[in-house]
Amino acid sequence: QVQLVQSGAEVKKPGSSVKVSCTASGGTFGDYTINWVRQVPGQGLEWMGGIIPNLDTTSYAEKFQDRVTISTDESTRTAYMDLSSLRSEDTAVYYCARAPPYYDDEYYFDSWGQGTLVTVSS
Amino acid sequence: QSALTQPASVSGSPGQSITVSCTGTSSDVGVYNYVSWYQQHPGKAPKLIIYDVSSRPSGISNRFSGSKSGNTASLTISGLQAEDEADYYCSSYTSSSTFYVFGTGTKVTVL
Repeated sequence: QVQLVQSGAEVKKPGSSVKVSCTASGGTFGDYTINWVRQVPGQGLEWMGGIIPNLDTTSYAEKFQDRVTISTDESTRTAYMDLSSLRSEDTAVYYCARAPPYYDDEYYFDSWGQGTLVTVSS
Repeated sequence: QSALTQPASVSGSPGQSITVSCTGTSSDVGVYNYVSWYQQHPGKAPKLIIYDVSSRPSGISNRFSGSKSGNTASLTISGLQAEDEADYYCSSYTSSSTFYVFGTGTKVTVL
């Protein structure tokens, strides 16, 4: 069973960038899609984008397309989410979440990281 | 891409059954059997409880069941227990450029 462990909380200034990491232990890594989902305090879940490590293929939600970059380092089984041009509205908990292998044609998130709180404040 | 519509809150007494609805469109819930449900306790990460409309992951109680009719999916919790008190979110694959859409979330309260 895979476990996803994320990096710690961050406090950032408006206009800066943040990079959150997500390291997988157990299970396989490369074939699964690693996704990033955010949750603004008191609000719902929002899919930001995902990556298939073995194919280095990314998909982004239109809302974040210009500001987010998702990448992986297969040697360390780590995925990264880089969000730029931060504004106060980006204050949220950011989760990584694993979806089944791309060739299974399945779309759900079976494992989640513990979440990383990113606070954007001047 | 708009969020799927869920009731803000649903409540029930211990032992009762409750149903949470999730209404989408013909671009997501209505056309794909890729509806999933997540349980989220305060301060915790979401947890998968239903996938592919009605399938349960290993270890999830059979008190949780899912179904779909047209553009609306439903989660039923039978034999409601205190530990079921949490937020519940539906999600669906979508044909839009945003591959996944989530519901607005429902707070389930056990009276």
